[in-house]
This record gives sequence, C-alpha cells and structure tokens, in this order.
Amino acid sequence: EAGVTQSPRYAVLQEGQAVSFWCDPISGHDTLYWYQQPRDQGPQLLVYFRDEAVIDNSQLPSDRFSAVRPKGTNSTLKIQSAKQGDTATYLCASSLRLGSAETLYFGSGTRLTVL
Amino acid sequence: QQKVQQSPESLTVSEGAMASLNCTFSDGTSNNFRWYRQHSAKGLEVLVSIFSDGEKEEGRFTAHLNRANLHVSLHIREPQPSDSAVYLCAVSSASNTNKVVFGTGTRLQVLP
Repeated sequence: EAGVTQSPRYAVLQEGQAVSFWCDPISGHDTLYWYQQPRDQGPQLLVYFRDEAVIDNSQLPSDRFSAVRPKGTNSTLKIQSAKQGDTATYLCASSLRLGSAETLYFGSGTRLTVL
Repeated sequence: QQKVQQSPESLTVSEGAMASLNCTFSDGTSNNFRWYRQHSAKGLEVLVSIFSDGEKEEGRFTAHLNRANLHVSLHIREPQPSDSAVYLCAVSSASNTNKVVFGTGTRLQVLP
C-alpha cells in the first residue's frame, strides 16, 4: 500500500514569492491534515479536511495561506507572498476516518526555506 | 488550549541502555496518546498508541500513561544507534479526536 506522497521535497524562495505544496494521501483515507513544523519544534496543525470539506482552518494564516482538496483526494497548500517566518517543513498526513481517533500517517514533508 | 511539553530536550544513551522520555499535557479530558519517531528529513512514524491508564508495549517500545498526573512516558528497551531520532508525543481529547497536538520533541542519540 502506498503511503502519503508529498512534493516537492524542497523549495527555496525569496520573500514575496508564492509556492504550492502537493499531497496525495493514502487511498481510502477521508481525513487529510496539513502541519507546519519549524526547525526544532513539533508539528503544528494548520488545517484539516474531511473529504473535500474544510473542518478546521482556524490556525491557517488566511491572508497568505490557502488549502484545497477539491475532489476529496489530493490536496494543495499554497503560500502567497512568502515571509522568512514561513521557513519550516510542511507535513501532510491522512487518517482513515474523521472522528475515529485513527493513527495519522505522514508524508516525508516539503522543506521550505524563505530567504 | 492544550499544551504538550516534553522532557528532556535531548538525551544521549549508550547502545543497550534503557532510554526514558517524558511528556506532560494540560487537558485532563485527553484520551488519545501516541508516540511518533522522526528521523532527519523524513516523515513521522507511529511507535505506540495508548488510550487508557497503564502500560502498552509494542516491541521494544513501551508507553506508560497516568492521566491523573497528566503524564505519559516512552521507554525504549535495548536502543540501537538506528533509534537515534526525534521522538514526538501526540495528544488529543475526546471532544476533538482529530485535533492532535504535538510536543516539541526529544532528540535521542544512541551511541554504539
């Protein structure tokens, strides 16, 4: 069974540039999460979906970050006008079913550096 | 707002010696606890899940939960150099099982 796939693995930007991250969750998992992990910190939840619906995006900086999961499968996280403070690893995770306390399965992440 | 803290920040042990990691949480209604391992530049892999007070063993990894003390620990038996990684505690509550809060991690180094 394929795991969670993310791309790209790395991204380097100048401040003000835009970037998109892509995630393909495990087949059949209805819940998808995006986490931000600054260096030497634990992952911090940005947003999560059940199928195509956003369940909680309260931690997503809405002025510059956006996330979609249009068909309830793959997802894209986009940062408009990146700042140096956005430098972090962006992790995508999926779980089988919302509300079932299932294990989260993580991709390898996208390491973003904003110069 | 759930707070999850881990100690120590870093730990060095010799191969074969027991490694013990600690995690405290602030929400007494928490009922879903997992320990993850993160090797450098890789994603997280789950090691052990525990949902009730007591002990849960998965191979060389044992979690101990004491919800009255707001504490969960991880013990690694006979650690190997390949166990060198960052270990993360993850906690969620019954009211929102999908909102998982992670600690800041313990960096473990196992010396041969």
